[in-house]
Amino acid sequence: AQKITQTQPGMFVQEKEAVTLDCTYDTSDQSYGLFWYKQPSSGEMIFLIYQGSYDEQNATEGRYSLNFQKARKSANLVISASQLGDSAMYFCAMREGRRETSGSRLTFGEGTQLTVNP
Amino acid sequence: NAGVTQTPKFQVLKTGQSMTLQCAQDMNHEYMSWYRQDPGMGLRLIHYSVGAGITDQGEVPNGYNVSRSTTEDFPLRLLSAAPSQTSVYFCASSRGQGSEKLFFGSGTQLSVL
Repeated sequence: AQKITQTQPGMFVQEKEAVTLDCTYDTSDQSYGLFWYKQPSSGEMIFLIYQGSYDEQNATEGRYSLNFQKARKSANLVISASQLGDSAMYFCAMREGRRETSGSRLTFGEGTQLTVNP
Repeated sequence: NAGVTQTPKFQVLKTGQSMTLQCAQDMNHEYMSWYRQDPGMGLRLIHYSVGAGITDQGEVPNGYNVSRSTTEDFPLRLLSAAPSQTSVYFCASSRGQGSEKLFFGSGTQLSVL
């Protein structure tokens, strides 16, 4: 079974509108972390946001927020007020288990290509 | 502040050749890892390390070796390059405590002919 599932290969949004990128995950660990990364066409991996499994509140970082629904095992990324520079590939990723043993070991989804239209 | 530095940025190998991809970080991070990214796909973990002298296999370790003799360096060795190893390789590091943020290098584009 896929550990991280991103069901939207491509998404389109109008500039200044909000967009939600879907991510579901599969783990039996109680301790885990969920990440979103942005990869523009230049290829670098840019950290956006992190949510720990024990965090009670949804994570927010500027225009990015993570809609964490633990019972449904979903960790959707919400981008508010989209900008042209948001056009990129977006990856959801998960660290399973405690950080002390997992380190920087992440499992990535296949990504969603977001296009922001003017 | 250099962050995570990968060298080289581009490399072309012939089948059967060996080489080492270099990765160095100057943030005193305990955790380091190597990923590969094939076209249209997410990143897959090759090897990772939770500290100097400690390494372990990830999802796709075959054909690769790693060592971690210092906190700063985590080289990835291709033993006998194969066309299936054509990919973009990313090195990453993170702290042992505090922020969970994973820092990535800029990547190495490797082509095996």
